[in-house]
Amino acid sequence: KNEVEQSPQNLTAQEGEFITINCSYSVGISALHWLQQHPGGGIVSLFMLSSGKKKHGRLIATINIQEKHSSLHITASHPRDSAVYICAVYRGAQKLVFGQGTRLTINP
Amino acid sequence: EAQVTQNPRYLITVTGKKLTVTCSQNMNHEYMSWYRQDPGLGLRQIYYSMNVEVTDKGDVPEGYKVSRKEKRNFPLILESPSPNQTSLYFCASSLNGNQETQYFGPGTRLLVL
Repeated sequence: KNEVEQSPQNLTAQEGEFITINCSYSVGISALHWLQQHPGGGIVSLFMLSSGKKKHGRLIATINIQEKHSSLHITASHPRDSAVYICAVYRGAQKLVFGQGTRLTINP
Repeated sequence: EAQVTQNPRYLITVTGKKLTVTCSQNMNHEYMSWYRQDPGLGLRQIYYSMNVEVTDKGDVPEGYKVSRKEKRNFPLILESPSPNQTSLYFCASSLNGNQETQYFGPGTRLLVL
């Protein structure tokens, strides 16, 4: 079993829908990272979380340390949000362990 | 512009022919790391470095070497590449690695025949 599990693996939605991607982890962590990988392959950091909730534009990330769970929400989704979203956890201060990613497709 | 650069972006080579993938960052970051990304396995950490002359193994270090002689550069060396090292490689850096945001390079796609 992977230390970091994401669900769903694939998600297709219509433009404007509210999107939720989930991340569960089995190890003790110091922080959690949400990343976005564009179709061209580049990876961009979206959020770094160690507690609570963060918001940036239409993106919201939450984490529940006790339940070992994080969610990434996208409001008013748009085709340009189509990408692979990756959850990663810091195991210790320097080691990063990644989930398998969620492939999101938003249709116009 | 703050960035992490990697070279080459694409490389086709043959088994056993030594190669180096360079990584450079211009943000004065102390922490740098190498990852490989494979279908079905996702991203996995190869090596990381906390500062000059300080490196440590990640989850999949076999077949790779790194060095950190200067703060800005962190090359990945494949002394004797094998086909199972065919992958997409990313370099990343962060201020000090301690749960800081990581900045990723554009990736290097390597094919070992």
